[in-house]
Amino acid sequence: NAGVTQTPKFQVLKTGQSMTLQCAQDMNHEYMSWYRQDPGMGLRLIHYSVGAGITDQGEVPNGYNVSRSTTEDFPLRLLSAAPSQTSVYFCASRTLGQGHYGYTFGSGTRLTVV
Amino acid sequence: GIQVEQSPPDLILQEGANSTLRCNFSDSVNNLQWFHQNPWGQLINLFYIPSGTKQNGRLSATTVATERYSLLYISSSQTTDSGVYFCAVDPSNTGKLIFGQGTTLQVKP
Repeated sequence: NAGVTQTPKFQVLKTGQSMTLQCAQDMNHEYMSWYRQDPGMGLRLIHYSVGAGITDQGEVPNGYNVSRSTTEDFPLRLLSAAPSQTSVYFCASRTLGQGHYGYTFGSGTRLTVV
Repeated sequence: GIQVEQSPPDLILQEGANSTLRCNFSDSVNNLQWFHQNPWGQLINLFYIPSGTKQNGRLSATTVATERYSLLYISSSQTTDSGVYFCAVDPSNTGKLIFGQGTTLQVKP
């Protein structure tokens, strides 16, 4: 049971480049989400999904796109990278079943935009 | 929106000491979680505790929802307890977690 898998672990981008951060889970969780963690600011929600074909915005969605075509995968797309998007990105999932509220996090992707 | 404040921001302990971390939130919530981020960055869900008290080994948590705060107790601390402890709330239990800024704990041997 792999849990939540994020790739890549590290990435350096030039300003203006695009890329996709991958997130996959094998626990059949309905809920998946993306957070960014900046120094001294805790984690902030970018986008989330409660099932295939359903996505919604979090606190800081600008500059990011998501889609959820399968239960397992929830990729995060940076359309035109900016230095302000330098951060550590975490993907998380959980089941939406009654009585189950625990989140499983991936190990993170450290992104630097130069 | 709802505000989540954690205190203290930093804490240094000797191994074996006890500690209490606090989380205040500005509005009623249906979902409150505690997380531990280890020094390598991995986030682990410790407790789901919208109200009441729970215990898991040396860790326990109490949430007083009517007074809008939660406490995380760490007893007989070990060096492996080091890291950052986050409180997060989901006001309407829709999955939109709002995190506090965390308490950084260092346990010295």
